[in-house]
Amino acid sequence: GAGVSQSPRYKVAKRGQDVALRCDPISGHVSPFWYQQALGQGPEFLTYFQNEAQLDKSGLPSDRFFAERPEGSVSTLKIQRTQQEDSAVYLCASSLAEQPYTEAFFGQGTRLTVV
Amino acid sequence: GDSVTQMEGPVTLSEEAFLTINCTYTATGYPSLFWYVQYPGEGLQLLLKATKADDKGSNKGFEATYRKETTSFHLEKGSVQVSDSAVYFCALSRGSTLGRLYFGRGTQLTVWP
Repeated sequence: GAGVSQSPRYKVAKRGQDVALRCDPISGHVSPFWYQQALGQGPEFLTYFQNEAQLDKSGLPSDRFFAERPEGSVSTLKIQRTQQEDSAVYLCASSLAEQPYTEAFFGQGTRLTVV
Repeated sequence: GDSVTQMEGPVTLSEEAFLTINCTYTATGYPSLFWYVQYPGEGLQLLLKATKADDKGSNKGFEATYRKETTSFHLEKGSVQVSDSAVYFCALSRGSTLGRLYFGRGTQLTVWP
């Protein structure tokens, strides 16, 4: 596609509900990254993939969060038993390679509100 | 650990005023430095970058120089426009973390006509 596509754009979940957030990176990009952006803050790294391999998940805040990319294209961030503190915008970014100076292209994000 | 500190906003300017948004960083080694911009209703976009000391990144009239001696990467523009109203994020990445970006908390800029 022309850019990084994320869905849904908005999600309201009841506390305790499981949610799945989808990221469709730019075609040909090998490295989708996930970030969490709380209101008024900068994005915080969660995890990233290179192809199908999840190379770094050190930013995941708890074992309720996990991400997958089974077929090397679409990536899904899943949050189990959502809590109010999970309310944030979840951003996906992709780049051609994992090099630090390679531009990361960001999607518009999914705004998750846990009530 | 690695971190970025930005001046707190919001910043409000009149059109054609000079803009500076301060950014300092803490990192081991030689990070790459970035400014990203988020316009209302849009995703983060790369504005400019610098990959080594004394490099100057520039784009759309904005500039920032990588100063290793002061660990800074301040964003400047000589004459802002209403269309520059957005949130600006300073960020860094290091080779050992393979592209992971560390962001500052962002600075909201509003430009009035």
